Amino acid sequence: GESVGLHLPTLSVQEGDNSIINCAYSNSASDYFIWYKQESGKGPQFIIDIRSNMDKRQGQRVTVLLNKTVKHLSLQIAATQPGDSAVYFCAENSGGSNYKLTFGKGTLLTVNP
Amino acid sequence: NAGVMQNPRHLVRRRGQEARLRCSPMKGHSHVYWYRQLPEEGLKFMVYLQKENIIDESGMPKERFSAEFPKEGPSILRIQQVVRGDSAAYFCASSPPPGRYEQFFGPGTRLTVL
Repeated sequence: GESVGLHLPTLSVQEGDNSIINCAYSNSASDYFIWYKQESGKGPQFIIDIRSNMDKRQGQRVTVLLNKTVKHLSLQIAATQPGDSAVYFCAENSGGSNYKLTFGKGTLLTVNP
Repeated sequence: NAGVMQNPRHLVRRRGQEARLRCSPMKGHSHVYWYRQLPEEGLKFMVYLQKENIIDESGMPKERFSAEFPKEGPSILRIQQVVRGDSAAYFCASSPPPGRYEQFFGPGTRLTVL
């Protein structure tokens, strides 16, 4: 069943440090994963995606790692900036669906200047 | 190229009233998805529509909720006889054909039921 989260997991880092945000996904049939960034009062913004035939994918200042054995996903942000402060969600295509996304609970990243 | 547009951004309704949420997809996108987000939770899939067709409404509550995406005009999520538990942020996303994973989200409509 679903759990109701009253408090988001939080990560607080200093400006310039690297950030690592983790996510455990639930469905071993999922084969596509996305990280979204959501700032207060806004909709989710696509950051980076990865397919299950890959272990790692890099973007600009971001890297996503996928460990299918333990169903774990991580987002690494290099040289974190104050503008990176937001809630970060991982999403998976539900059971291999080509349209239905299942979102994790989110992690609140706070970057201290 | 304008992104996904949603209106209104904020909507206040009293219990028993109707709420209509509108979504205009990105130009060239013919696939629309609606998600609901409760405070401090992730988004939950509600419905997937193409023009004039509901493809998957497995995430929609069985009663009071309906969605459409007409040939002309925006997609509409309609909630009849709203209750306090309907208070949430409702996000619309769109994607280009044929239904792809990468979904672009709008700013959301925040519904408050008094």
